Amino acid sequence: GAGVSQTPSNKVTEKGKYVELRCDPISGHTALYWYRQSLGQGPEFLIYFQGTGAADDSGLPNDRFFAVRPEGSVSTLKIQRTERGDSAVYLCASSSAPDSYNEQFFGPGTRLTVL
Amino acid sequence: QKEVEQDPGPLSVPEGAIVSLNCTYSNSAFQYFMWYRQYSRKGPELLMYTYSSGNKEDGRFTAQVDKSSKYISLFIRDSQPSDSATYLCAVRRRDSSYKLIFGSGTRLLVRP
Repeated sequence: GAGVSQTPSNKVTEKGKYVELRCDPISGHTALYWYRQSLGQGPEFLIYFQGTGAADDSGLPNDRFFAVRPEGSVSTLKIQRTERGDSAVYLCASSSAPDSYNEQFFGPGTRLTVL
Repeated sequence: QKEVEQDPGPLSVPEGAIVSLNCTYSNSAFQYFMWYRQYSRKGPELLMYTYSSGNKEDGRFTAQVDKSSKYISLFIRDSQPSDSATYLCAVRRRDSSYKLIFGSGTRLLVRP
């Protein structure tokens, strides 16, 4: 497809479980971002990849959260020992190159519910 | 204090009205200013972006930035029911990792 895709669209899990959320960026986009959006709030930055490396992970809330992008394309956000407070929409965005200004294109998000 | 403040609304207007949406930000290091539109259960999509004080117009939309007062606005002329969505302002530093800092969003409802 032409846009950013994210799977699954919805994920319901139990407290304490492990989850993986996947992002397929726009083909050729080198920069990839993860954001988290809680109900009634704007997206909050989690992590930024340039190629395969995490250039800025300052937004990850704690060490239960981890993200990878091993081949510089698809990225996976991993959450260990999920807590109810992790319930949110996890958004992925990609852009063509991180110089001056390049639009970040967002995917539809994965809605995570932790019971 | 949040770095970007935005009135959450909701804002309800009749079709054809002029809509004014506003944000304030706290840090003069922010150099890029954006407005995103987000429909329910969708990702945000970029409407307008600017990096200088003044006005930028695109069709029915005008973005306004006043760096001296750290105030950004989006005006929508001749509003349509299809404009009903949440509008998010966002800012970015020039020297950062390009992460966006968003306001909390304003819900807009345009009544037919």
